[in-house]
Amino acid sequence: ILNVEQSPQSLHVQEGDSTNFTCSFPSSNFYALHWYRWETAKSPEALFVMTLNGDEKKKGRISATLNTKEGYSYLYIKGSQPEDSATYLCAPHTNAGKSTFGDGTTLTVKP
Amino acid sequence: DGGITQSPKYLFRKEGQNVTLSCEQNLNHDAMYWYRQDPGQGLRLIYYSQIVNDFQKGDIAEGYSVSREKKESFPLTVTSAQKNPTAFYLCAIYRGSYGYTFGSGTRLTVV
Repeated sequence: ILNVEQSPQSLHVQEGDSTNFTCSFPSSNFYALHWYRWETAKSPEALFVMTLNGDEKKKGRISATLNTKEGYSYLYIKGSQPEDSATYLCAPHTNAGKSTFGDGTTLTVKP
Repeated sequence: DGGITQSPKYLFRKEGQNVTLSCEQNLNHDAMYWYRQDPGQGLRLIYYSQIVNDFQKGDIAEGYSVSREKKESFPLTVTSAQKNPTAFYLCAIYRGSYGYTFGSGTRLTVV
C-alpha cells in the first residue's frame, strides 16, 4: 500500500485568503498525480493531472505543482471563495494501473 | 455522473447477509474500480478490473467479491465476512489524463 500523506487535514480561512495544501507520495512506479475536489453530497471530480517533474497546472484561481523526484505536489488557491469549500484529494497513479488516495484536506472558506 | 450508474443509493444490510452493489457504465472503458470511504479517511481501493473476466484485489479486498462478465458491469458483493461494512462505496472508471470518473455512490449501513 502506497503511503500518501496530505496536510493539513483541515483548514479554515476567510474569504479572500490564499492557501496551499501538500501531498507527499512515494516516487517509485509513478505514472501520474491527480488532484480531485470533493464537495459534500457529490462525487469527486478531477481538477488536475500531472505527469512530469516540474509540471505546473492552473485552472482559474487554483494551481498545482509537481516534484516527482522528491515525491510531493502542492495545490494553491488564490483568493479563496466560499464555493471553494470542499475536500481536496490527491492520488498518485502507478504503472500497475491503480491509484492510492490521500485522506484529503478539508477546506472551509468563511464569508 | 459521466455515464456511471450506481444502485441503490442507500442500502441496509442485516448482520450475516450478503448484499450486492451495482455499477454500470456506458463509456466503453476497460478499467473499473471499487473504492470505499469511511468518515475522515480517503478512498481505499477494494477491487479493480482492467479487462473483462479479470480482476485484481486492492488494498482492502477481504470480505468482498466482484465479477466482470461484461465490459459495462462490475458488481461488488459485500459478504458476511466483511466485519465492518458500513461505509460509502464509489465505483469509478479511470480515463487516463482525465483521471477517475466516479458514480454517485452507495451508502451501506448495517442494521
